Amino acid sequence: DTEVTQTPKHLVMGMTNKKSLKCEQHMGHRAMYWYKQKAKKPPELMFVYSYEKLSINESVPSRFSPECPNSSLLNLHLHALQPEDSALYLCASSPSRASGSETQYFGPGTRLLVL
Amino acid sequence: GDSVTQMEGPVTLSEEAFLTINCTYTATGYPSLFWYVQYPGEGLQLLLKATKADDKGSNKGFEATYRKETTSFHLEKGSVQVSDSAVYFCALSDRGFGNEKLTFGTGTRLTIIP
Repeated sequence: DTEVTQTPKHLVMGMTNKKSLKCEQHMGHRAMYWYKQKAKKPPELMFVYSYEKLSINESVPSRFSPECPNSSLLNLHLHALQPEDSALYLCASSPSRASGSETQYFGPGTRLLVL
Repeated sequence: GDSVTQMEGPVTLSEEAFLTINCTYTATGYPSLFWYVQYPGEGLQLLLKATKADDKGSNKGFEATYRKETTSFHLEKGSVQVSDSAVYFCALSDRGFGNEKLTFGTGTRLTIIP
């Protein structure tokens, strides 16, 4: 089973709203990622959690706030977003580095529209 | 730093044609190489991978060989189908630097016409 699930599938929010994206995996992976993908572009890395600790933050604005409550769950809290933040948000997970495999498995994404 | 250069698209082929999508890379460590596919409105799916020189990854009729001497990982398929229409991303993960970052190419949009 190589499934990563994401909810919601679609989200429309105003610039003053607060919302959260959720990602879940049950593969025992210890690294989880958030990516942002604009139309016709490759995914851009936002955050990496390794063993439930934030290990990489790619200078993402503070209106995006990640959270890793446990090894299976990853959230992305959104507040005061701008229209240019509209994009497909992808979650991914990978086994630990110690396992020798860094293959990342992606979820289906949440398509976000900020009005 | 690491980089991946992919064949510019879009690519349009007739059904049953031979497909090649070129991918070359630059890396300072010991990269693993990947091809991901993204169907319209969906996330990325791992298509195939290779972790060391001369490895061949294969899946669903697609193949790619890790060529260290030419720093390439070209994607090939002998006979494409309409259902192969998607965007294909070449990517690398440079384990030598001990991080988990994926470096992506720009993507190649493939359209197969019946």
